[in-house]
Amino acid sequence: KAGVTQTPRYLIKTRGQQVTLSCSPISGHRSVSWYQQTPGQGLQFLFEYFSETQRNKGNFPGRFSGRQFSNSRSEMNVSTLELGDSALYLCASSFRLVLGAGESANQPQHFGDGTRLSIL
Amino acid sequence: AQSVTQLGSHVSVSEGALVLLRCNYSSSVPPYLFWYVQYPNQGLQLLLKYTSAATLVKGINGFEAEFKKSETSFHLTKPSAHMSDAAEYFCAVSENSGAGSYQLTFGKGTKLSVIP
Repeated sequence: KAGVTQTPRYLIKTRGQQVTLSCSPISGHRSVSWYQQTPGQGLQFLFEYFSETQRNKGNFPGRFSGRQFSNSRSEMNVSTLELGDSALYLCASSFRLVLGAGESANQPQHFGDGTRLSIL
Repeated sequence: AQSVTQLGSHVSVSEGALVLLRCNYSSSVPPYLFWYVQYPNQGLQLLLKYTSAATLVKGINGFEAEFKKSETSFHLTKPSAHMSDAAEYFCAVSENSGAGSYQLTFGKGTKLSVIP
């Protein structure tokens, strides 16, 4: 079973540009979450998508956005890049069970190898 | 909001020695707890998860963790360290953010070095 695939693995951009990162989840997984990892702040939650809808968003500016397609693949976009956006961006997928009145049970998240974004 | 504290940003052990990585969490409800490992230039790999079925959880690569509610701890151990265990380890708690969404809150990580 293929794991979570993130592309590209490495990316170099300059300040002011925008970037789009891609994530293909494990087959059958419908939930995709994004995290930013930096030496100073550690791992921080960006957002989660499930069934093409953003379900939750972390404490990041509006320059960070994302979307999910009908095949559960997800993209995240960062506009007007700043030096501080240099980080490893990790995507994670999980299999959600939908129970009763829409409540989802928790399943472990499976991570891709990340995209390392460097801003010059 | 829940939080996770990992005591010791860097731990060194000799090959063959006991590995003990500490994790304390804050949660007002029974938590979903996880340990992940990250090797250089890679993503996070799930080591084990706490599911409330048992307080002692066994994971991959010989690791296990014990959930102690009274101490709000979920420490990770391995009886005998191997060189291949050198990596960074993250403890995480899964938090219900409402609307059926869960997000992981991570500790700052502990970098494990294994001395031959």
